Amino acid sequence: AQSVTQLDSHVSVSEGTPVLLRCNYSSSYSPSLFWYVQHPNKGLQLLLKYTSAATLVKGINGFEAEFKKSETSFHLTKPSAHMSDAAEYFCVVSAKFNFGNEKLTFGTGTRLTIIP
Amino acid sequence: NAGVTQTPKFRILKIGQSMTLQCTQDMNHNYMYWYRQDPGMGLKLIYYSVGAGITDKGEVPNGYNVSRSTTEDFPLRLELAAPSQTSVYFCASSWRATNEKLFFGSGTQLSVL
Repeated sequence: AQSVTQLDSHVSVSEGTPVLLRCNYSSSYSPSLFWYVQHPNKGLQLLLKYTSAATLVKGINGFEAEFKKSETSFHLTKPSAHMSDAAEYFCVVSAKFNFGNEKLTFGTGTRLTIIP
Repeated sequence: NAGVTQTPKFRILKIGQSMTLQCTQDMNHNYMYWYRQDPGMGLKLIYYSVGAGITDKGEVPNGYNVSRSTTEDFPLRLELAAPSQTSVYFCASSWRATNEKLFFGSGTQLSVL
């Protein structure tokens, strides 16, 4: 079985300050991990993906995430928030089960608000 | 670059009505998916397809049907709409596997009253 927990449903930061969005996961197999972003009235867009290579993953728009197996975490960070970062962010875990089938499990999302 | 196109964007149905949500992609992707997104919840997989003529159930398939007669199109059919099907529906596609990058459509907001 696998699951993903986004620890904050809503995060507010001031423009120009760091962003931290927290994600913990559980998986019986070696997982792939993703962060997707959803801007209002839009579909989800991939920010970054971890697939057992480097533990620090760099994504688009200055975001990065660090895979920490010992803590089963995959937190998303950005050094300096921009107004355009305001959106909903989803942590996603993908793991193989039975005969190589993959299953995606989505977190419940974190809404990021940027204060001018 | 059209990507994944969904229609309609909004729809209101009465209980018991039927409708088809359209999804088409122009990237020649093999895998296509239908998800629903309820407030405060993650996306839940309704149905998926790994190629033309092949479909399978996801986590929440009850009340829905799909078909995949071509690589490009993956319509979702709602029969006998119920208030529990009020949700935002997203179609997505990927090249070869579930753990690759998903490309999403912009969604269909459906209300069943």
